[in-house]
Amino acid sequence: EAQVTQNPRYLITVTGKKLTVTCSQNMNHEYMSWYRQDPGLGLRQIYYSMNVEVTDKGDVPEGYKVSRKEKRNFPLILESPSPNQTSLYFCASSLSRTGDAKGYTFGSGTRLTVV
Amino acid sequence: AQSVTQLGSHVSVSEGALVLLRCNYSSSVPPYLFWYVQYPNQGLQLLLKYTSAATLVKGINGFEAEFKKSETSFHLTKPSAHMSDAAEYFCAVSDQSGANSKLTFGKGITLSVRP
Repeated sequence: EAQVTQNPRYLITVTGKKLTVTCSQNMNHEYMSWYRQDPGLGLRQIYYSMNVEVTDKGDVPEGYKVSRKEKRNFPLILESPSPNQTSLYFCASSLSRTGDAKGYTFGSGTRLTVV
Repeated sequence: AQSVTQLGSHVSVSEGALVLLRCNYSSSVPPYLFWYVQYPNQGLQLLLKYTSAATLVKGINGFEAEFKKSETSFHLTKPSAHMSDAAEYFCAVSDQSGANSKLTFGKGITLSVRP
Protein backbone atom coordinates (compact mmCIF):
# COMPACT_ATOMS: atom_id res chain seq x y z
CA GLU A 1 0.00 0.00 0.00
CA ALA A 2 1.30 3.44 -0.96
CA GLN A 3 1.74 5.44 2.20
CA VAL A 4 3.69 7.85 4.33
CA THR A 5 4.62 6.38 7.70
CA GLN A 6 5.42 8.53 10.70
CA ASN A 7 6.68 7.34 14.06
CA PRO A 8 5.88 7.69 16.83
CA ARG A 9 2.17 8.61 16.75
CA TYR A 10 2.31 10.07 20.24
CA LEU A 11 5.28 11.38 22.21
CA ILE A 12 5.62 13.12 25.55
CA THR A 13 9.07 14.44 26.34
CA VAL A 14 10.82 16.91 28.61
CA THR A 15 12.34 20.25 27.68
CA GLY A 16 15.81 19.93 26.21
CA LYS A 17 15.81 16.21 25.50
CA LYS A 18 16.71 15.64 21.85
CA LEU A 19 14.19 13.70 19.82
CA THR A 20 13.65 12.51 16.26
CA VAL A 21 10.37 11.93 14.48
CA THR A 22 10.79 9.57 11.57
CA CYS A 23 9.03 9.78 8.21
CA SER A 24 9.23 7.22 5.43
CA GLN A 25 7.41 6.96 2.09
CA ASN A 26 7.24 4.01 -0.28
CA MET A 27 6.13 5.84 -3.43
CA ASN A 28 9.54 6.95 -4.73
CA HIS A 29 8.47 10.57 -4.26
CA GLU A 30 11.07 13.27 -4.72
CA TYR A 31 9.34 15.96 -2.69
CA MET A 32 8.86 15.66 1.07
CA SER A 33 7.82 18.17 3.66
CA TRP A 34 7.09 18.64 7.35
CA TYR A 35 4.16 20.65 8.70
CA ARG A 36 2.95 21.48 12.16
CA GLN A 37 -0.72 21.96 12.93
CA ASP A 38 -1.88 24.24 15.72
CA PRO A 39 -5.45 25.26 16.61
CA GLY A 40 -6.54 28.36 14.73
CA LEU A 41 -3.33 28.47 12.69
CA GLY A 42 -3.87 25.64 10.23
CA LEU A 43 -0.81 23.86 8.89
CA ARG A 44 2.49 25.65 8.64
CA GLN A 45 5.48 24.33 6.77
CA ILE A 46 8.63 23.65 8.79
CA TYR A 47 11.08 22.27 6.20
CA TYR A 48 10.88 20.69 2.80
CA SER A 49 13.12 18.64 0.55
CA MET A 50 13.15 18.60 -3.24
CA ASN A 51 15.35 15.50 -3.42
CA VAL A 52 18.18 13.67 -1.68
CA GLU A 53 20.56 16.11 0.06
CA VAL A 54 18.36 19.08 -0.99
CA THR A 55 16.48 20.68 1.88
CA ASP A 56 15.21 24.17 2.61
CA LYS A 57 13.40 26.13 5.29
CA GLY A 58 9.67 26.61 5.33
CA ASP A 59 7.73 29.19 7.31
CA VAL A 60 8.58 28.08 10.84
CA PRO A 61 11.99 26.33 10.83
CA GLU A 62 13.35 27.65 14.14
CA GLY A 63 14.20 24.87 16.57
CA TYR A 64 14.04 22.11 13.96
CA LYS A 65 16.48 20.25 11.75
CA VAL A 66 15.97 17.79 8.93
CA SER A 67 18.06 15.52 6.75
CA ARG A 68 17.47 13.72 3.48
CA LYS A 69 20.16 11.08 3.05
CA GLU A 70 17.85 8.64 1.32
CA LYS A 71 14.94 9.33 -0.98
CA ARG A 72 12.41 7.50 1.16
CA ASN A 73 13.29 8.99 4.57
CA PHE A 74 12.93 12.53 5.90
CA PRO A 75 13.38 12.67 9.68
CA LEU A 76 12.52 15.73 11.76
CA ILE A 77 14.97 16.47 14.55
CA LEU A 78 14.34 18.62 17.62
CA GLU A 79 17.76 19.19 19.17
CA SER A 80 16.44 20.90 22.30
CA PRO A 81 12.65 20.76 22.42
CA SER A 82 10.70 23.50 24.17
CA PRO A 83 7.05 23.66 25.27
CA ASN A 84 6.17 25.92 22.31
CA GLN A 85 6.96 22.99 20.03
CA THR A 86 4.04 21.05 21.48
CA SER A 87 1.97 20.44 18.37
CA LEU A 88 0.63 17.94 15.86
CA TYR A 89 3.20 17.20 13.16
CA PHE A 90 2.58 15.89 9.67
CA CYS A 91 4.96 14.58 7.08
CA ALA A 92 3.89 14.76 3.43
CA SER A 93 5.30 13.59 0.13
CA SER A 94 4.60 14.07 -3.56
CA LEU A 95 6.07 13.32 -6.96
CA SER A 96 6.68 17.02 -7.42
CA ARG A 97 6.51 20.21 -5.42
CA THR A 98 3.14 21.10 -6.92
CA GLY A 99 1.62 17.75 -6.12
CA ASP A 100 0.75 14.87 -8.43
CA ALA A 101 -2.67 13.52 -9.35
CA LYS A 102 -3.21 12.63 -5.71
CA GLY A 103 -1.95 15.93 -4.38
CA TYR A 104 0.29 15.47 -1.40
CA THR A 105 0.16 12.21 0.56
CA PHE A 106 0.15 12.84 4.29
CA GLY A 107 1.21 10.67 7.16
CA SER A 108 -1.13 10.01 10.08
CA GLY A 109 0.55 12.59 12.28
CA THR A 110 2.69 12.71 15.41
CA ARG A 111 1.26 14.39 18.48
CA LEU A 112 4.17 15.81 20.44
CA THR A 113 3.92 17.20 23.96
CA VAL A 114 6.93 18.92 25.51
CA VAL A 115 6.70 19.48 29.27
CA ALA B 1 3.66 35.39 -1.84
CA GLN B 2 0.64 33.17 -1.80
CA SER B 3 -2.04 32.93 0.86
CA VAL B 4 -5.39 31.34 1.59
CA THR B 5 -8.31 32.81 3.49
CA GLN B 6 -11.02 30.64 4.96
CA LEU B 7 -13.55 32.90 6.63
CA GLY B 8 -14.94 31.66 9.91
CA SER B 9 -13.70 28.69 11.87
CA HIS B 10 -16.90 26.73 12.21
CA VAL B 11 -19.89 25.93 9.99
CA SER B 12 -22.94 24.01 11.16
CA VAL B 13 -25.56 22.56 8.80
CA SER B 14 -28.46 20.17 9.10
CA GLU B 15 -28.26 16.72 7.60
CA GLY B 16 -29.46 16.95 4.00
CA ALA B 17 -28.72 20.67 3.70
CA LEU B 18 -26.29 22.32 1.30
CA VAL B 19 -22.69 22.52 2.42
CA LEU B 20 -20.75 25.63 1.36
CA LEU B 21 -17.22 26.20 2.63
CA ARG B 22 -15.56 29.33 1.34
CA CYS B 23 -11.97 29.72 0.23
CA ASN B 24 -10.26 32.74 -1.29
CA TYR B 25 -6.68 32.71 -2.39
CA SER B 26 -3.95 35.14 -3.27
CA SER B 27 -1.28 34.21 -5.76
CA SER B 28 0.85 36.22 -8.17
CA VAL B 29 0.98 33.34 -10.62
CA PRO B 30 -1.53 30.71 -11.78
CA PRO B 31 -2.24 28.50 -8.80
CA TYR B 32 -2.94 24.92 -8.08
CA LEU B 33 -5.76 24.69 -5.53
CA PHE B 34 -6.68 21.89 -3.19
CA TRP B 35 -9.26 20.93 -0.62
CA TYR B 36 -8.27 18.49 2.09
CA VAL B 37 -10.39 16.88 4.79
CA GLN B 38 -9.21 15.81 8.23
CA TYR B 39 -11.34 13.44 10.27
CA PRO B 40 -10.74 13.27 14.02
CA ASN B 41 -7.37 11.77 14.94
CA GLN B 42 -6.43 11.22 11.33
CA GLY B 43 -4.16 12.73 8.72
CA LEU B 44 -5.24 14.86 5.79
CA GLN B 45 -7.02 13.31 2.83
CA LEU B 46 -7.29 14.96 -0.57
CA LEU B 47 -10.88 15.81 -1.53
CA LEU B 48 -10.20 17.46 -4.86
CA LYS B 49 -7.67 19.44 -6.82
CA TYR B 50 -7.69 22.19 -9.47
CA THR B 51 -4.77 22.18 -11.88
CA SER B 52 -5.89 24.58 -14.64
CA ALA B 53 -8.05 22.14 -16.57
CA ALA B 54 -11.80 22.26 -15.94
CA THR B 55 -12.88 25.04 -13.60
CA LEU B 56 -15.50 22.84 -11.95
CA VAL B 57 -13.76 20.06 -10.12
CA LYS B 58 -15.49 17.01 -8.71
CA GLY B 59 -14.00 15.16 -5.80
CA ILE B 60 -14.69 12.29 -3.52
CA ASN B 61 -17.75 11.85 -1.29
CA GLY B 62 -19.95 14.06 -3.50
CA PHE B 63 -17.94 17.26 -3.00
CA GLU B 64 -17.11 19.68 -5.77
CA ALA B 65 -15.45 23.07 -6.08
CA GLU B 66 -15.44 25.78 -8.72
CA PHE B 67 -12.38 27.85 -9.57
CA LYS B 68 -13.34 31.48 -10.23
CA LYS B 69 -10.35 33.50 -11.26
CA SER B 70 -12.21 36.82 -11.26
CA GLU B 71 -13.20 36.29 -7.64
CA THR B 72 -9.97 34.48 -6.63
CA SER B 73 -12.18 31.86 -5.05
CA PHE B 74 -12.35 28.10 -4.82
CA HIS B 75 -15.43 27.37 -2.70
CA LEU B 76 -16.27 23.80 -1.72
CA THR B 77 -19.86 22.57 -2.00
CA LYS B 78 -21.93 19.47 -1.47
CA PRO B 79 -25.65 19.42 -2.27
CA SER B 80 -26.71 17.31 0.70
CA ALA B 81 -24.75 16.98 3.94
CA HIS B 82 -24.31 13.64 5.62
CA MET B 83 -23.40 13.02 9.24
CA SER B 84 -20.14 11.45 8.08
CA ASP B 85 -19.08 14.79 6.55
CA ALA B 86 -18.37 16.21 10.00
CA ALA B 87 -14.66 17.00 9.92
CA GLU B 88 -12.16 19.81 9.50
CA TYR B 89 -11.63 21.11 5.96
CA PHE B 90 -8.55 22.86 4.66
CA CYS B 91 -8.13 24.84 1.47
CA ALA B 92 -4.57 25.05 0.12
CA VAL B 93 -2.72 26.73 -2.72
CA SER B 94 0.57 25.94 -4.40
CA ASP B 95 2.58 27.80 -6.95
CA GLN B 96 2.79 26.61 -10.57
CA SER B 97 5.72 28.85 -11.44
CA GLY B 98 8.45 27.03 -9.58
CA ALA B 99 9.37 30.00 -7.45
CA ASN B 100 7.75 28.69 -4.32
CA SER B 101 8.01 25.07 -3.32
CA LYS B 102 5.30 24.67 -0.76
CA LEU B 103 1.64 24.08 -0.20
CA THR B 104 0.12 26.97 1.76
CA PHE B 105 -2.90 26.09 3.88
CA GLY B 106 -5.78 28.11 5.19
CA LYS B 107 -6.59 27.94 8.89
CA GLY B 108 -9.29 25.35 8.36
CA ILE B 109 -13.03 25.19 8.90
CA THR B 110 -14.76 22.72 11.19
CA LEU B 111 -17.97 21.38 9.69
CA SER B 112 -20.65 20.10 12.07
CA VAL B 113 -23.72 18.25 10.79
CA ARG B 114 -26.89 18.29 12.90
CA PRO B 115 -29.31 15.36 12.75
